[in-house]
Amino acid sequence: GESVGLHLPTLSVQEGDNSIINCAYSNSASDYFIWYKQESGKGPQFIIDIRSNMDKRQGQRVTVLLNKTVKHLSLQIAATQPGDSAVYFCAESGPDFNKFYFGSGTKLNVKP
Amino acid sequence: NAGVTQTPKFRILKIGQSMTLQCTQDMNHNYMYWYRQDPGMGLKLIYYSVGAGITDKGEVPNGYNVSRSTTEDFPLRLELAAPSQTSVYFCASSYGQGGVNTIYFGEGSWLTVV
Repeated sequence: GESVGLHLPTLSVQEGDNSIINCAYSNSASDYFIWYKQESGKGPQFIIDIRSNMDKRQGQRVTVLLNKTVKHLSLQIAATQPGDSAVYFCAESGPDFNKFYFGSGTKLNVKP
Repeated sequence: NAGVTQTPKFRILKIGQSMTLQCTQDMNHNYMYWYRQDPGMGLKLIYYSVGAGITDKGEVPNGYNVSRSTTEDFPLRLELAAPSQTSVYFCASSYGQGGVNTIYFGEGSWLTVV
């Protein structure tokens, strides 16, 4: 089956700095990717998505980069705030778009 | 906006007991999902459904059953609870239009089997 994993299990950054969270995927046929944020005791919340026909997509303070050549996905958070502290997951949709596979997550700690 | 609602929030089960986790969504989404999340881990897909009357297995279906009699509801059944089923369970739904499925999650159900 598909496999999605993250390079860094934890990331600590200073408030105001930029954060970069990385994710690797194994299925070259995957067509759709999503980043989720999960705060303690809550369900995952959608942050930003990207289709495989794009290399970059920007949202509010967040940017997702997709490198299909090396099957790598990254989430960039600009001017990281304490409220950004959470676990971040990347998810990959399989060829049928019906199922999503999640990585193990990266915990982001924002130091004041 | 209710979104995806799942109950109960917390439950303790004894080994061998059975229970049903309820899930309902009010967004008229076609697709619904059940995931489990073990401590410090990502989400694993248990079962999913692409519409009423249609269900399919995900990555970790053993020990669970589902049904989808209506568009709104997607209950998850544990028949013989085992300690390995101690986890946080998330129900989710998506519209599924045009092959792009942004998934919306419920708040989670914490289940402990002792």
